[in-house]
Amino acid sequence: DTGVSQDPRHKITKRGQNVTFRCDPISEHNRLYWYRQTLGQGPEFLTYFQNEAQLEKSRLLSDRFSAERPKGSFSTLEIQRTEQGDSAMYLCASSPDTGMKNIQYFGAGTRLSVL
Amino acid sequence: AQSVTQLGSHVSVSEGALVLLRCNYSSSVPPYLFWYVQYPNQGLQLLLKYTTGATLVKGINGFEAEFKKSETSFHLTKPSAHMSDAAEYFCAVSVLGFQKLVFGTGTRLLVSP
Repeated sequence: DTGVSQDPRHKITKRGQNVTFRCDPISEHNRLYWYRQTLGQGPEFLTYFQNEAQLEKSRLLSDRFSAERPKGSFSTLEIQRTEQGDSAMYLCASSPDTGMKNIQYFGAGTRLSVL
Repeated sequence: AQSVTQLGSHVSVSEGALVLLRCNYSSSVPPYLFWYVQYPNQGLQLLLKYTTGATLVKGINGFEAEFKKSETSFHLTKPSAHMSDAAEYFCAVSVLGFQKLVFGTGTRLLVSP
């Protein structure tokens, strides 16, 4: 068990560019979550996958954001035409799919800075 | 909808003193409650959780929290603070059948020598 891994740890981009982040969950976890954390705030839910199916999306996830988990393992989060307001820490978490064990384990996050 | 309120964005204690971080929740159904800790430039680490059963739950690093339904609270305590406890602490709520965690705005714990 190597924990939840996120890549890259830091990303600096210019406004208008596209960026993609990757998350590798704990291997036996079927559920995968994306959260966004801005300075001084708690994480806010973006979206969640059960295996390869994306089951819930927040209203925070505008049409510039897309997330995939094509084989039910790793996931990617893409932001198109980045804006300065997208600057934040993007956190990935994973959990088993049984209710009482639904404890989410978080990765170290990807910090995005949009210049 | 569920929500969490953490009173006090910053709490300062001396090393060896009692730590008390406050969390109140709002939920129309029985909640699951969590405390996470975040060190600088790191992700969140689970400290403890309440799902059902015993209302006093013990976590890692000597922390514990008590679920009080009548007060809709889940305050985090530690009898004696250590310098290494300095971090940001987040309370979160979820309910069975809903997968997302709803977090409070966090409390930064400062520990002075």
